[in-house]
Amino acid sequence: EPEVTQTPSHQVTQMGQEVILRCVPISNHLYFYWYRQILGQKVEFLVSFYNNEISEKSEIFDDQFSVERPDGSNFTLKIRSTKLEDSAMYFCASRTSGIYEQYFGPGTRLTVT
Amino acid sequence: AQRVTQPEKLLSVFKGAPVELKCNYSYSGSPELFWYVQYSRQRLQLLLRHISRESIKGFTADLNKGETSFHLKKPFAQEEDSAMYYCALRGDYGGATNKLIFGTGTLLAVQP
Repeated sequence: EPEVTQTPSHQVTQMGQEVILRCVPISNHLYFYWYRQILGQKVEFLVSFYNNEISEKSEIFDDQFSVERPDGSNFTLKIRSTKLEDSAMYFCASRTSGIYEQYFGPGTRLTVT
Repeated sequence: AQRVTQPEKLLSVFKGAPVELKCNYSYSGSPELFWYVQYSRQRLQLLLRHISRESIKGFTADLNKGETSFHLKKPFAQEEDSAMYYCALRGDYGGATNKLIFGTGTLLAVQP
């Protein structure tokens, strides 16, 4: 069964550094999402992406964040200048058209020191 | 406001006991609700959605619009049911987003 994959599984970075989190959605899916979960808190929506553009973003998704689908398979989340409070688990998800079930990747744990 | 509330952080039951994981929602339109499960060190997986009214692994959930609830139930808990359970609401009905709004999750611990 096809799965969403994410790399790396764990990323440690210093405050102020740029990070890129990578996701490979399921191949025939058209809608892509990033969520994050700070330790002990709920899973929160960051951004949705469809037809090569952002369809919605949350208040968390400020100018430090960007998403890109650089080719036909990858979907990336970039944080330009990381802060301590960006430490969290970041989940990528995708879904196909007409079905609202989202398939989640295993997550990337980002630790900002 | 669109919100999902799961009042219990932890629910501990013995094997064979009934389970009810509570979920309440706030949504102005006609909601679409899901239960996701996360086993230890695994990804979030869809357990069931209210629209399909199916039973997965013995779990069922009924949407009660009057009480704005979507509680997850299982008559006899198994040790392998131990996991984190998240209730989620599909927000922004229609359009290209359809983001999920999650509750805080309930950790179900089934004791032998």
